[in-house]
Amino acid sequence: GDSVTQMEGPVTLSEEACLTINCTYTATGYPSLFWYVQYPGEGLQLLLKATKADDKGSNKGFEATYRKETTSFHLEKGSVQVSDSAVYFCALSDPQAGTALIFGKGTTLSVSS
Amino acid sequence: EAGVAQSPRYKIIEKRQSVAFWCNPISGHATLYWYQQILGQGPKLLIQFQNNGVVDDSQLPKDRFSAERLKGVDSTLKIQPAKLEDSAVYLCASSLGAGQIQETQYFGPGTRLLVL
Repeated sequence: GDSVTQMEGPVTLSEEACLTINCTYTATGYPSLFWYVQYPGEGLQLLLKATKADDKGSNKGFEATYRKETTSFHLEKGSVQVSDSAVYFCALSDPQAGTALIFGKGTTLSVSS
Repeated sequence: EAGVAQSPRYKIIEKRQSVAFWCNPISGHATLYWYQQILGQGPKLLIQFQNNGVVDDSQLPKDRFSAERLKGVDSTLKIQPAKLEDSAVYLCASSLGAGQIQETQYFGPGTRLLVL
């Protein structure tokens, strides 16, 4: 079945450091890919998404590129802030399996000043 | 625009008791999802509704879990009887429901359940 694998955390960085959170997927069909974020005490919210190969999703300084050849959707940010501390979830939606999301286990990011 | 509302936010029960969770999706959203998030894992789909019809309940433990969405708006998820392994956060999400896989799902704050 479909699955999402993302790097385990926690990831601990200093402010202004570069961030990469790896995400790879397996899917039967041609999925759409998402990054959701959960800030402390808040619900899951969409960070960015991409719907076809080579698409780049971007939001709040974060970027991720849909790489079909490597089945990856890595999340990157050039300079993290303390306010980026949160749990990040990579997810996919596969047309062969309906519109429900399949999530990775989540990666906790902690940024210190 | 109001977001997805869920209640209660927290619930502690003894095993074998019953519990119910309520979700009010964003107005106009036809699709509603219930996910279960066990500590340290990503959310997993329990059931998906399109209006008041069930689209996917293949991962719902039907011997103890039930869900309904009357009138295609609010939804209730029930567990009876609860087991220790049901301790988790129960998330409700909604989307416009045009049937597109790239549709954004909007999540509620979740209900944290602890079964003792």
